[in-house]
Amino acid sequence: GESVGLHLPTLSVQEGDNSIINCAYSNSASDYFIWYKQESGKGPQFIIDIRSNMDKRQGQRVTVLLNKTVKHLSLQIAATQPGDSAVYFCAENFGNEKLTFGTGTRLTIIP
Amino acid sequence: SAVISQKPSRDICQRGTSLTIQCQVDSQVTMMFWYRQQPGQSLTLIATANQGSEATYESGFVIDKFPISRPNLTFSTLTVSNMSPEDSSIYLCSVGDTGELFFGEGSRLTVL
Repeated sequence: GESVGLHLPTLSVQEGDNSIINCAYSNSASDYFIWYKQESGKGPQFIIDIRSNMDKRQGQRVTVLLNKTVKHLSLQIAATQPGDSAVYFCAENFGNEKLTFGTGTRLTIIP
Repeated sequence: SAVISQKPSRDICQRGTSLTIQCQVDSQVTMMFWYRQQPGQSLTLIATANQGSEATYESGFVIDKFPISRPNLTFSTLTVSNMSPEDSSIYLCSVGDTGELFFGEGSRLTVL
């Protein structure tokens, strides 16, 4: 079936550096993508989203890039901080509020 | 954003028993969902909790194992029936009306 997956399961980044988390999706009909952050013992927290008619969207210290040609999604976090350490999930929405989640990447910020 | 409260936050259960998880939202929402997150893994949608009608289950999940109630627009329950150690997971309630989904803190179940 259709799936959403990540290239790297773990990522360690020096505090202050930028990080990039990647995600591949396979359903070309998806029209909405979301990045979630999940800290230990907590539920997923919305970070940023992007619609399929866009290729880039920026938030505070975060940027999501969407490449529909290769079905690739990335989350860039600028000037990483210790509080950015978490598991990050990409999720795919088919327009009916149901989400298909990727595998997840554990980001560790090294002080 | 919606504030979602789940109970219990965690529990240790005996094999063969059943446990009901409650999800309360601070505002009326159309869509409520239940997800499962097995240890170290991603989230998998169990079902959509429909207000006033039977829940809609995803492939691999059945009503006998995961009965769901949705008596109104702010509340839902998920029961994990006849539990086995394989049911040890975090169960998450989520709500959404405009594409963005909000999640509760989850209910962490350990089945012995």
